[in-house]
Amino acid sequence: GDSVTQMEGPVTLSEEAFLTINCTYTATGYPSLFWYVQYPGEGLQLLLKATKADDKGSNKGFEATYRKETTSFHLEKGSVQVSDSAVYFCALTGGYNNNDMRFGAGTRLTVKP
Amino acid sequence: DGGITQSPKYLFRKEGQNVTLSCEQNLNHDAMYWYRQDPGQGLRLIYYSQIVNDFQKGDIAEGYSVSREKKESFPLTVTSAQKNPTAFYLCASSPGRTSYEQYFGPGTRLTVT
Repeated sequence: GDSVTQMEGPVTLSEEAFLTINCTYTATGYPSLFWYVQYPGEGLQLLLKATKADDKGSNKGFEATYRKETTSFHLEKGSVQVSDSAVYFCALTGGYNNNDMRFGAGTRLTVKP
Repeated sequence: DGGITQSPKYLFRKEGQNVTLSCEQNLNHDAMYWYRQDPGQGLRLIYYSQIVNDFQKGDIAEGYSVSREKKESFPLTVTSAQKNPTAFYLCASSPGRTSYEQYFGPGTRLTVT
């Protein structure tokens, strides 16, 4: 079935460092891809999305490009802040069942001042 | 203010008792979902509903039940048959039809002793 694999954490960076969190997927059909962020004790917030190949999703300085040839959707940010410390989830939906959203295991990011 | 509300934020129950978690949305979304999140792990789908009076089992439906009598509401009952009910429960909704990103509530942390 459809699945998402993202890099294991935790990831610890200094403020203003460059961030990459890798995400690859396996899916039949034409999935939509998402990144969600979860702060401690809260629900998930949609960070960005891409619905077709070569689309770039972006929000709050974060970007990810839907790469069909490498089945990837890596999250990047040029300069992280302490406030970006959270758990990041890659997810997909679509293929043959749009109600079946599959999540990666999450990557915990800690940014130190 | 549109959104998804879950109540209560923290819930404590004794083993052997059924407990119902509330989820309400005023986004006029067709689809609603319940997920379970255990510490350091991703999300697992319990149940979802695409329309009123209809719902489908997810990956871990055993020991849970739901109802969808109104579009805005999708309560989850954790029954005494659920072997390990202590977890963080997240409700989500999505517009459905042509747009499948999911929007999450703040979650309910259930502790059963």
